[in-house]
Amino acid sequence: DAKTTQPTSMDCAEGRAANLPCNHSTISGNEYVYWYRQIHSQGPQYIIHGLKNNETNEMASLIITEDRKSSTLILPHATLRDTAVYYCIVSSPRGNAGGTSYGKLTFGQGTILTVHP
Amino acid sequence: GAGVSQSPRYKVAKRGQDVALRCDPISGHVSLFWYQQALGQGPEFLTYFQNEAQLDKSGLPSDRFFAERPEGSVSTLKIQRTQQEDSAVYLCASSLEERRGEQFFGPGTRLTVL
Repeated sequence: DAKTTQPTSMDCAEGRAANLPCNHSTISGNEYVYWYRQIHSQGPQYIIHGLKNNETNEMASLIITEDRKSSTLILPHATLRDTAVYYCIVSSPRGNAGGTSYGKLTFGQGTILTVHP
Repeated sequence: GAGVSQSPRYKVAKRGQDVALRCDPISGHVSLFWYQQALGQGPEFLTYFQNEAQLDKSGLPSDRFFAERPEGSVSTLKIQRTQQEDSAVYLCASSLEERRGEQFFGPGTRLTVL
């Protein structure tokens, strides 16, 4: 699976936009970019995903560069409840060409986002 | 609707004991995944089921780990002869077959082996 690189930690003021970067320079053509977050003592929570176009949902926006080698997750108005570890993951939802990955998620260390009052 | 549930939420075992961890996925979700999360680390894949078929068990760390999903719904992860290094949070996730990347996670079972 392609690997991702994220900053270890970031801070954000409540009410401001939080922009979380991710590098995935070895992403392959059939792999999507997924973002998950994990609030302390809870299971990971799916946020958003995309292939090559920018995406937006009720939680966040995902901006993917044209060469697909990096992306940014944007939380437009961060709240204290957004404090969590954010994981950027590249995965093929239908598995790889050999059919052996089956969409498993490979989590890295993630970015610890702390939202301050 | 109900999400993914796991039981027990906490389990303390003496080294050498066998443990069984249960996962109730979201109804209708064909895909089921187990992950292991050590303290301070991201979750790591253990195994994958498509209905009752275990199609990928490449992440199971040793033959002491065994998972099953006999009727294609509830799944059990069993660890035999537990060791201290098995202490971790065990997470279960389920998804629709065609949207395997969008996984719904349970709260996890925290296993502590003394």
